[in-house]
Amino acid sequence: KAGVTQTPRYLIKTRGQQVTLSCSPISGHRSVSWYQQTPGQGLQFLFEYFSETQRNKGNFPGRFSGRQFSNSRSEMNVSTLELGDSALYLCASSLETGNSPLHFGNGTRLTVT
Amino acid sequence: AQSVTQPDIHITVSEGASLELRCNYSYGATPYLFWYVQSPGQGLQLLLKYFSGDTLVQGIKGFEAEFKRSQSSFNLRKPSVHWSDAAEYFCAVGGNNNDMRFGAGTRLTVKP
Repeated sequence: KAGVTQTPRYLIKTRGQQVTLSCSPISGHRSVSWYQQTPGQGLQFLFEYFSETQRNKGNFPGRFSGRQFSNSRSEMNVSTLELGDSALYLCASSLETGNSPLHFGNGTRLTVT
Repeated sequence: AQSVTQPDIHITVSEGASLELRCNYSYGATPYLFWYVQSPGQGLQLLLKYFSGDTLVQGIKGFEAEFKRSQSSFNLRKPSVHWSDAAEYFCAVGGNNNDMRFGAGTRLTVKP
């Protein structure tokens, strides 16, 4: 069974631009979570989607948004990029959150210049 | 919301020595506890999980962890460390609120 796939692996953007990251979960997984990982803040929870509905959201500004499609694939969008948005963005899928382990992709490395 | 503390940012052990990585959690109900490992440039891989039952759980790569409710701890152990165990280790707690919270991570260095 294929793992979680994130595209692209690397992105370089300029301040003020917007970016869209993509995540394909493991087949059969309906929950997709997004995390931001930085050296200073560690792994920060962004949001979680299940069956196309956002069920939970972390403490990030409204510039960070996401969605999930009917095939469980998910996208994350960051608008008006800031230098501090430079990070590794990790997507994880699971059958159900809470008591189900997360299966992570290898992440998208975003650099904002 | 739940939270996790990993007191040790960086640990160095000699190859063949034993290892214990500390994790303390905060959660009002019965927690679901996990340990993940991350190698450079990679995502996180699940080592083991605790939901209920036996408080000593076995994972992959020879790791084990013990849940101690009285201490709100879930420490990860390995009797003999291998050079390939060098990585970053994350403790995580999940609940019924549909998000999983991670500790800041502990970076493990293995000396030859």
